Amino acid sequence: KAGVTQTPRYLIKTRGQQVTLSCSPISGHRSVSWYQQTPGQGLQFLFEYFSETQRNKGNFPGRFSGRQFSNSRSEMNVSTLELGDSALYLCASSWGTSGSYTDTQYFGPGTRLTVL
Amino acid sequence: SQKIEQNSEALNIQEGKTATLTCNYTNYSPAYLQWYRQDPGRGPVFLLLIRENEKEKRKERLKVTFDTTLKQSLFHITASQPADSATYLCALVSGGYNKLIFGAGTRLAVHP
Repeated sequence: KAGVTQTPRYLIKTRGQQVTLSCSPISGHRSVSWYQQTPGQGLQFLFEYFSETQRNKGNFPGRFSGRQFSNSRSEMNVSTLELGDSALYLCASSWGTSGSYTDTQYFGPGTRLTVL
Repeated sequence: SQKIEQNSEALNIQEGKTATLTCNYTNYSPAYLQWYRQDPGRGPVFLLLIRENEKEKRKERLKVTFDTTLKQSLFHITASQPADSATYLCALVSGGYNKLIFGAGTRLAVHP
């Protein structure tokens, strides 16, 4: 079974621009979560989508947004990029079993975003 | 304040020995705790999940303990191998669906 894929793998943007990252979950998985990983803050939860609905959200500003499509693929968008947004952005997919607060999370390889 | 802490310093051990990594948490009451492995440039890989009513969980050379009184989980790798060298992250679920709170991770280096 193919794993979680993320595109692009690397991205360089300048301050003020916006960026869209894509995540394709494992076939059959309906939950997609996004995380930001930086050396200073570690892995931090951004948001989680299940069946096209955002079920959970972390403590990030509104510049960070996401969506999920009917085929469970997800995108996240960061507008008005800041230098501090440079990070590895990881998505994780899981079955998203209804009523369960946790599933085994399968992470993708991440998108390395550099903001200049 | 809420915290989840792992040894920030790297752990260096000899091949064949048992590696023990610690995860302590404060002001959480997690029902589950998970351990992940992360290699440089890659996403974390799930290893084990332990529930609050389980004291110990094993998978091959891996063992995890969960002490809700001490608010601590220990992660053991027995008969360690150089291929076990990686960063190990503990995580707990807090605040709803699939919201994992991660520790900073401990880097393990196993020397031949």
